[in-house]
Amino acid sequence: AQKVTQAQTEISVVEKEDVTLDCVYETRDTTYYLFWYKQPPSGELVFLIRRNSFDEQNEISGRYSWNFQKSTSSFNFTITASQVVDSAVYFCALSGVNFNKFYFGSGTKLNVKP
Amino acid sequence: DGGITQSPKYLFRKEGQNVTLSCEQNLNHDAMYWYRQDPGQGLRLIYYSQIVNDFQKGDIAEGYSVSREKKESFPLTVTSAQKNPTAFYLCASTPGGSSGNTIYFGEGSWLTVV
Repeated sequence: AQKVTQAQTEISVVEKEDVTLDCVYETRDTTYYLFWYKQPPSGELVFLIRRNSFDEQNEISGRYSWNFQKSTSSFNFTITASQVVDSAVYFCALSGVNFNKFYFGSGTKLNVKP
Repeated sequence: DGGITQSPKYLFRKEGQNVTLSCEQNLNHDAMYWYRQDPGQGLRLIYYSQIVNDFQKGDIAEGYSVSREKKESFPLTVTSAQKNPTAFYLCASTPGGSSGNTIYFGEGSWLTVV
């Protein structure tokens, strides 16, 4: 079975704090893909990153970084020096070899206060 | 600019009425999807289509119908059989083909039953 769990329903931080959003996944596929999306109040989901199961290198993009650990089936997302504009709902997603079906977590709402 | 356009952004429906949500993409993507999002919850797959004139039920297809007569269009009809249609609806697409493609989303449509 394919499943994505985001245990943190809502997180509140003060601007400039670092924050980590957790994502744990389940899959039987040996090849799979993990994604993070940001959903601002406007509603559209904005793609942030895609990672395949064979690439466990961590990635950094500006204030964003992702930690992929196959041993713990986790793909966590860290925002460094958070800003008010980071306030949104963040979704982690999984797709496998079964053609282009995507499995989304329930999302984590991040509130960044000034 | 390439993208996915959903209309209308806001729609009010009387009980017992069918309504159709439009989704058009100019990304030349083969696969298209419809998701439903309820407040504070994740995305649930309604229908998806991998190719023109073909579509498959997702996890919550009851009370919905779709068509895929053109590659760029994938309208969703919310029928009177859908007992709780008030939700946020997201259309998405991927290039299709092999697994691992990123899924891209439209801006969403808010449907309210009055």
